Amino acid sequence: DADVTQTPRNRITKTGKRIMLECSQTKGHDRMYWYRQDPGLGLRLIYYSFDVKDINKGEISDGYSVSRQAQAKFSLSLESAIPNQTALYFCATSDSGTGAYEQYFGPGTRLTVT
Amino acid sequence: AQSVTQLDSQVPVFEEAPVELRCNYSSSVSVYLFWYVQYPNQGLQLLLKYLSGSTLVKGINGFEAEFNKSQTSFHLRKPSVHISDTAEYFCAVSEDAGNKLTFGGGTRVLVKP
Repeated sequence: DADVTQTPRNRITKTGKRIMLECSQTKGHDRMYWYRQDPGLGLRLIYYSFDVKDINKGEISDGYSVSRQAQAKFSLSLESAIPNQTALYFCATSDSGTGAYEQYFGPGTRLTVT
Repeated sequence: AQSVTQLDSQVPVFEEAPVELRCNYSSSVSVYLFWYVQYPNQGLQLLLKYLSGSTLVKGINGFEAEFNKSQTSFHLRKPSVHISDTAEYFCAVSEDAGNKLTFGGGTRVLVKP
């Protein structure tokens, strides 16, 4: 089983709709991240969380919100989707205790806003 | 603010030939450097990282990278590529030990038989 899972894997939605992307991990990591990937732009950080009570904005948080429901779950919401939020979204985790500094990525959610 | 530039968006290369992917960064402080690989329809996985110490870093699948502080570069190399190395490669930098990564735009490597 995958250590970092994302649901749904693909989603098509209409402009103005609210949508939630979910991320779960079984790695026991304390830190979780949401990125979006656009061609030619690489990945850009949307939000990150260092523990359940810690939520921080990343580089491009406008139009997004997050919820850390438990150490293992981190959800990303688009309150009112717009077409330029069409992208590939990745969740990632890391462990602050190991000093390894590696982030582990989920398989991604491809979101299309029409 | 830190930034990362990957100078080549696409690199075609023949099987068993060497490949070099270029990465330059800008930062006002000391940085930690990473290369990630994304195979088709998958998430990213770490190839290698530079945190401190030796400037030549060896990673998985025969890849290595060299940190050059004066040139602010962290180029990735492999002496002989395989078809299975076809993927997109991302350079990333962090000023805080990997907690917040800034990624370059990516380089697509297409290995031809």
